[in-house]
Amino acid sequence: GDSVTQMEGPVTLSEEAFLTINCTYTATGYPSLFWYVQYPGEGLQLLLKATKADDKGSNKGFEATYRKETTSFHLEKGSVQVSDSAVYFCALSDVTGGFKTIFGAGTRLFVKA
Amino acid sequence: EAGVVQSPRYKIIEKKQPVAFWCNPISGHNTLYWYRQNLGQGPELLIRYENEEAVDDSQLPKDRFSAERLKGVDSTLKIQPAELGDSAVYLCASSFDGQAREFGPGTRLTVL
Repeated sequence: GDSVTQMEGPVTLSEEAFLTINCTYTATGYPSLFWYVQYPGEGLQLLLKATKADDKGSNKGFEATYRKETTSFHLEKGSVQVSDSAVYFCALSDVTGGFKTIFGAGTRLFVKA
Repeated sequence: EAGVVQSPRYKIIEKKQPVAFWCNPISGHNTLYWYRQNLGQGPELLIRYENEEAVDDSQLPKDRFSAERLKGVDSTLKIQPAELGDSAVYLCASSFDGQAREFGPGTRLTVL
């Protein structure tokens, strides 16, 4: 079945450091890919998405490129801020699965001032 | 525009007691989801509604869990009786296009 694998956390960075959170997937079809962010005490919020190969999703300085050849959707940000501290979830939604969204386990990010 | 609304935000009950969660989705979103999120894990789908019809309840433990969305808008999720292992955050989400989800803040359930 479809699955999403994320790098384990926590990831601890200093402010203004470069961020990469790895995400790889397996899917039988051609899924859409998502990154969600969950701040403490809140629900998940959609951060960005990409619907087909080579698409780049971007939002709030975060970027991720849909790489079909490596089945990856790594999240990057050039300069993190303390306010980026949160849990980040990679997810896929596949039409062959009835648009059932599969979430990764999440990666916790701590950014130090 | 208001987001997905859930209540209560927190609930503490003893095992074997019943509990219910309520969700009001974003206006115009026909698809509604209930997820369970255990500590340190991603959300897992319990049930998906298209309007008032439950189209995917394959992961819902039907011996103790039930859900309804009678008028195709707000929804309730019930557990009766609750077990210790039901302690989790219960998230409601809605969607316009069936792909991206708008999540509510969740209800944190603690079963003692």
